[in-house]
Amino acid sequence: KAGVTQTPRYLIKTRGQQVTLSCSPISGHRSVSWYQQTPGQGLQFLFEYFSETQRNKGNFPGRFSGRQFSNSRSEMNVSTLELGDSALYLCASSVSGGGYEQYFGPGTRLTVT
Amino acid sequence: TQLLEQSPQFLSIQEGENLTVYCNSSSVFSSLQWYRQEPGEGPVLLVTVVTGGEVKKLKRLTFQFGDARKDSSLHITAAQPGDTGLYLCAGAGGGGADGLTFGKGTHLIIQP
Repeated sequence: KAGVTQTPRYLIKTRGQQVTLSCSPISGHRSVSWYQQTPGQGLQFLFEYFSETQRNKGNFPGRFSGRQFSNSRSEMNVSTLELGDSALYLCASSVSGGGYEQYFGPGTRLTVT
Repeated sequence: TQLLEQSPQFLSIQEGENLTVYCNSSSVFSSLQWYRQEPGEGPVLLVTVVTGGEVKKLKRLTFQFGDARKDSSLHITAAQPGDTGLYLCAGAGGGGADGLTFGKGTHLIIQP
C-alpha cells in the first residue's frame, strides 16, 4: 500500500497570507489527523477528521481549519499567517482514528517570513 | 490536559552502549505508542503497548508499559548509529476519543 502523502513538501509564505496544505491518507483509512511540530513545543494536535466530520480539535486558534473529502483526502488551511506558524505540519492517517495507531506523512515544512 | 514528559531530552552515546529513555505522566492512558522520527520525515510507529506491565521486544529495543499505565520506557541494547533519531512517546485517552498526546521527544545520537 502507498503511504501517506503530503503536498507541498516545502512552502514559504509572507505574514498575513493564507496557505492550504493537502494530505492523502493510506487507502482504506478513514481518519486523518493534523499536527504541528516545532522545536519548542514538539508535536501538537490540531484536529482530526473522520468520514468528512471533524471529530476532535486541539487548542489552536480559529485561523487553523480543515476539511475532509469523501475520498478521505484532507486539507488544512491557515489564514492570516503569523511568524509563529512556521513549523512542520504533519498529517497522519488511521483506520479508526482517535487513539489508534497512526501513520504519518513526511510533512510540509512551512516558513513564514 | 494530559501531559507526557520524556527524559532525557538529549542523549549522545557511543556505539555498543545500552540506554533507556523514559516517558512519564500523572494521567492514565488506555495505550501508549512509541515512534521514531528522522530529520525531514514524519514519525514512524515502532510499537503500541496496551496492558499495564506489558513488555514488548523489537530486536534490540525493549518497551515496557508501567503497571499503572502512566509511564513507559524504551531500552536499547548495543546501540547502533542507525538508531539515531527523535524518539517520541504518545498516549491515547480513554476510548480513543481524545486522540494522541505526544511527549516532546528524546533526541538520540549514536556515535560510531
